[in-house]
Amino acid sequence: AQSVTQPDIHITVSEGASLELRCNYSYGATPYLFWYVQSPGQGLQLLLKYFSGDTLVQGIKGFEAEFKRSQSSFNLRKPSVHWSDAAEYFCAVEGGDNDMRFGAGTRLTVKP
Amino acid sequence: DAGVTQSPTHLIKTRGQHVTLRCSPISGHKSVSWYQQVLGQGPQFIFQYYEKEERGRGNFPDRFSARQFPNYSSELNVNALLLGDSALYLCASSPALRSINEQFFGPGTRLTVL
Repeated sequence: AQSVTQPDIHITVSEGASLELRCNYSYGATPYLFWYVQSPGQGLQLLLKYFSGDTLVQGIKGFEAEFKRSQSSFNLRKPSVHWSDAAEYFCAVEGGDNDMRFGAGTRLTVKP
Repeated sequence: DAGVTQSPTHLIKTRGQHVTLRCSPISGHKSVSWYQQVLGQGPQFIFQYYEKEERGRGNFPDRFSARQFPNYSSELNVNALLLGDSALYLCASSPALRSINEQFFGPGTRLTVL
C-alpha cells in the first residue's frame, strides 16, 4: 500500500523568506499526490494536487510543488512566506483506489 | 454555496459510551468519507460511502460503523468508546465514487473521551 513520509515535524521561517516542505512517498506506480493545509481547529484545505503531466504544479496562496519520480518526492515550495501561512501542512498520496494516505504533517511557524 | 458541514463541533464522552457524528456533504456530492485525526498525526481513512453503500474501509475495529442516507448525508457511529478514540473526526465529500481526489473536507468534530 502507498505511504507518505514528511521528514520535518516542525519548521520555522522568517516572514518573507522562502519555504520548502519535504514529502516522500512510497508507491509502485505514479500516484495522485496532494498537499493540504490545516489551520488550528479547522478542517483541511487543498493547496494543490498532481495527477500527471507537468511535474511543476501551481496551487492556491502562491504555493507550488514539484513531482520528482526519481526521488519519489513531492516537495511544497513558496518563494516568500507570509505570517498567515503559519499552519500544519499535510502531504497525501492516493493510488487510484480511493484510499488516501496522509503524512504526519509539518508544522510551520513564521517569525516576524 | 455551503461547504461540508459537521455536527456537533465538540463532544465529550466517557469510556464505554456510544457516540454519533453527523456530516452533510456539499450539494450534488454523492460520496462521503470519514477520517480520524489523532493529535499530532495526519488523518487516517475510516470509511467511504457512496450511494448509501460502504465502498471502502480502513483499518478500524468493528466498533466503528457508518451509514449514508438518501440525501447523501452520513453518520459515523462509535461504540464502546476508548480513551484512544479521542480525536478530530473529519468528513469529506466528493462528487462520485472514484473522485477521492476531488474531495472537500468539513471542519471536523472534536471528540474527547474521558
